[in-house]
Amino acid sequence: GAVVSQHPSWVICKSGTSVKIECRSLDFQATTMFWYRQFPKQSLMLMATSNEGSKATYEQGVEKDKFLINHASLTLSTLTVTSAHPEDSSFYICSAREGDRGLIGYTFGSGTRLTVV
Amino acid sequence: KNQVEQSPQSLIILEGKNCTLQCNYTVSPFSNLRWYKQDTGRGPVSLTIMTFSENTKSNGRYTATLDADTKQSSLHITASQLSDSASYICVVGGQAGTALIFGKGTTLSVSS
Repeated sequence: GAVVSQHPSWVICKSGTSVKIECRSLDFQATTMFWYRQFPKQSLMLMATSNEGSKATYEQGVEKDKFLINHASLTLSTLTVTSAHPEDSSFYICSAREGDRGLIGYTFGSGTRLTVV
Repeated sequence: KNQVEQSPQSLIILEGKNCTLQCNYTVSPFSNLRWYKQDTGRGPVSLTIMTFSENTKSNGRYTATLDADTKQSSLHITASQLSDSASYICVVGGQAGTALIFGKGTTLSVSS
């Protein structure tokens, strides 16, 4: 089945630094990538949607200059949290969708636990 | 407003018992409904996917039902195991290619 690899699985960084999270589709071409954030005991919240080769579409309230998304290839998307602050500490999850896989197309990564100290 | 609501918020059952989780949605247009299992600190894993024309779908000990008229779904877990302890999330898909809409999940704890 489709596999999405997300790295790192956890990261601790100092306030003010930037962190990059990678999401790779291992056996299919991800035409669309979704990035979610999940706070404890909360549902996944969509941050942005990106199509390969295009600028990401950000949800209302998500700062595009703070959460930089790159989807330069059909198998790789990255989320960079710039100038991270403690309030950015959260669980970040990517989801990849293959264009012609219909309903089956959404596959989630295993998530990245970000802690900003 | 497109919403997915789940109940109960949390549930504790004894190993071997059955349980049923509920999901109500107001997503329109409706394309499909999914149930995911999410272990703590991990990404969601798909259990079932149903379109509006499907009433039930099973995956081992998991059976999902869908009533597209009343916009309700349920996930029934049979003969629960300790490894079933997780968050179960109901997710609804709208228009093709758009992001999924997530419920807040039901936290299931199975004890021995």
